[in-house]
Amino acid sequence: EIVMTQSPGTLSMSPGERAALSCRAGQNIKKNLAWYQQKRGQAPRLLIYGASTRATGIPARFSGSGSGTDFTLTISGLQSEDFALYYCQQYNSWPLTFGQGTRVEIK
Amino acid sequence: QVRLVEWGGAVVQPGRSLRLSCAASGFTLGTNAMHWVRQAPGKGLEWVAATSYDGSSESYADSVRGRFTISRDNSKNTVSLQMNSLRRDDTAVYYCVRGLGSWYGLNPFDSWGQGTVVTVSS
Repeated sequence: EIVMTQSPGTLSMSPGERAALSCRAGQNIKKNLAWYQQKRGQAPRLLIYGASTRATGIPARFSGSGSGTDFTLTISGLQSEDFALYYCQQYNSWPLTFGQGTRVEIK
Repeated sequence: QVRLVEWGGAVVQPGRSLRLSCAASGFTLGTNAMHWVRQAPGKGLEWVAATSYDGSSESYADSVRGRFTISRDNSKNTVSLQMNSLRRDDTAVYYCVRGLGSWYGLNPFDSWGQGTVVTVSS
């Protein structure tokens, strides 16, 4: 099983700031990495797949980078609706696995 | 638009069985792998099971293998999860999820249902 490790656990930011969330895979997953956003009481929403491709309807302030084992989700210019929980997921091999999540909270 | 609606969640005793179902609309079900993903109260996301676009192959998390069975009926636009020998740690919100890309399930998930709640308790 590929272990996905996200850091930090919580990110305290102010609106307008740039947030960088990290995800590390326990082994090489090439670019088979997705990012999701989850708000309280809601289902997750796909933000990024293929490590850097934005899903349909996702604003350009969300960007993804990385390959192999180290990945980053960057949110440029945090807006109020961006304060939420974020998960990474690898789909390179079975079983599919998620990171434990990073919470982006208002400072 | 794509819509996934789950039902079947309930409060059930340990050791009992439960069947979850998911109705898909807004797309041709037979062109996508489908999955179930769960989230225990206050916890993160856990992938549970996947079925290939035609139902010819399945994959399971170790935590449910041998107890859960995923199936699909493309003619009825439904996906199901049969859960047997339920344990307290199966308590979670269960999401029906559409895979993007690969027909065989190594996917990111581009559409999610609203979830159905399963509580295993005596």
